[in-house]
Amino acid sequence: QVHLQESGPGLVKPSETLSLSCSVSGGSLNGYYWSWIRQPPGKRLEYIGFIYYSGSTNYTNYNPSLNSRVTISLDTPKNQFSLKLKSVTTADTAVYYCVRWRDDVLANWGQGILVTVSS
Amino acid sequence: DIVVTQSPDSLTVSLGERATINCRTSQSALYDSTKQNYLAWYQQKPGQPPKLLFYWASTRESGVPDRFSASGSGTDFTLTISSLQPEDVAVYYCHQYRRAPYTFGQGTKLEIK
Repeated sequence: QVHLQESGPGLVKPSETLSLSCSVSGGSLNGYYWSWIRQPPGKRLEYIGFIYYSGSTNYTNYNPSLNSRVTISLDTPKNQFSLKLKSVTTADTAVYYCVRWRDDVLANWGQGILVTVSS
Repeated sequence: DIVVTQSPDSLTVSLGERATINCRTSQSALYDSTKQNYLAWYQQKPGQPPKLLFYWASTRESGVPDRFSASGSGTDFTLTISSLQPEDVAVYYCHQYRRAPYTFGQGTKLEIK
């Protein structure tokens, strides 16, 4: 049973970079799509992007609304993937989830981590 | 982007009664080459991540009680709980994964009368 756990700072200052990691246990990164999804307080879930890894190949897809600010990457030795979101504002305050795709659907979710953007 | 709209925004149902949630997508969720609808339903309880209930519009995830059912095709979909139980109180989301950027409905809050 795969388990995902988000980690990172819970407070980020405006204009700085939000950095989160997702540790994956009970399964390999290889051959799966891995995503970040966020949920601002009281709002709907928002797709941030995904990374797909297979062997030596990986590719990414990002939400165009965030495209210029977001990077998703892998750390295969640690069995982790990460999110970097640059130039954050208060609108980026949200619970951030890391998720594994299965059968083309967002199937396995981490517990989520609240990130607040505030000075 | 494909816009996903749920109705109603909130729903109050008596224990043991039927609850029905609707979901509409602004473009078809059906992928012609696979004949599958790329539409999923999630249940989210306070302080928890979303839990997958159905994918391919009507395929029940392992462990989901059979009082839950889902149907629909194209742009119109439905989630039904046949006999509401106390543990079904939650917010329910539909989600299209037909085309990136993948999008979610605004959620339907289900409460007990």
